[in-house]
Amino acid sequence: QKEVEQNSGPLSVPEGAIASLNCTYSDRGSQSFFWYRQYSGKSPELIMFIYSNGDKEDGRFTAQLNKASQYVSLLIRDSQPSDSATYLCAVNPRGNYGQNFVFGPGTRLSVLP
Amino acid sequence: EAGVAQSPRYKIIEKRQSVAFWCNPISGHATLYWYQQILGQGPKLLIQFQNNGVVDDSQLPKDRFSAERLKGVDSTLKIQPAKLEDSAVYLCASSPGGETQYFGPGTRLLVL
Repeated sequence: QKEVEQNSGPLSVPEGAIASLNCTYSDRGSQSFFWYRQYSGKSPELIMFIYSNGDKEDGRFTAQLNKASQYVSLLIRDSQPSDSATYLCAVNPRGNYGQNFVFGPGTRLSVLP
Repeated sequence: EAGVAQSPRYKIIEKRQSVAFWCNPISGHATLYWYQQILGQGPKLLIQFQNNGVVDDSQLPKDRFSAERLKGVDSTLKIQPAKLEDSAVYLCASSPGGETQYFGPGTRLLVL
């Protein structure tokens, strides 16, 4: 059973701080990695994806991937109260059109004004 | 561009009853997914369609769940008979190809 693990949280950070969300995965052959944001009672929405080792930046968000350590993280700079949500890490083990797309349980982030 | 549509938004049934959910993907999206999200957990993929063919249904409890995607557009997911543990949000997502998925609003099912 391929697994994706995340700390459930809640992770609380003050407004303006950097929030760091972490994810580990069990399938060493995993190809692509995604971060979704899910507000309470809403459906997941894609924040960003990363395929290669290293960092990928998009606005206030930076995804970091280390395939050797089977670890992917999401940094949110200048956190805002509107960033308060559950962040889901998702892994596509086969890298082929979503087969066996595996989500972690999510980390709940709370940004305090 | 219209998003993924799902109906109904909420459903309450008693155990052993049957229920069906409907999904209309974004126009032109060939790939359609059904996920089950239990409270406090991440979504679990139930079934994936590519056009009207099944790509992956390895996690679909086939003794009680069924899904179809006629004509490669709309899809229905059925549960018969429902169990208490089926209480969850059922999410439909679609993709034009590649891996970016767009989720619908979900159907919240409560089995009493």
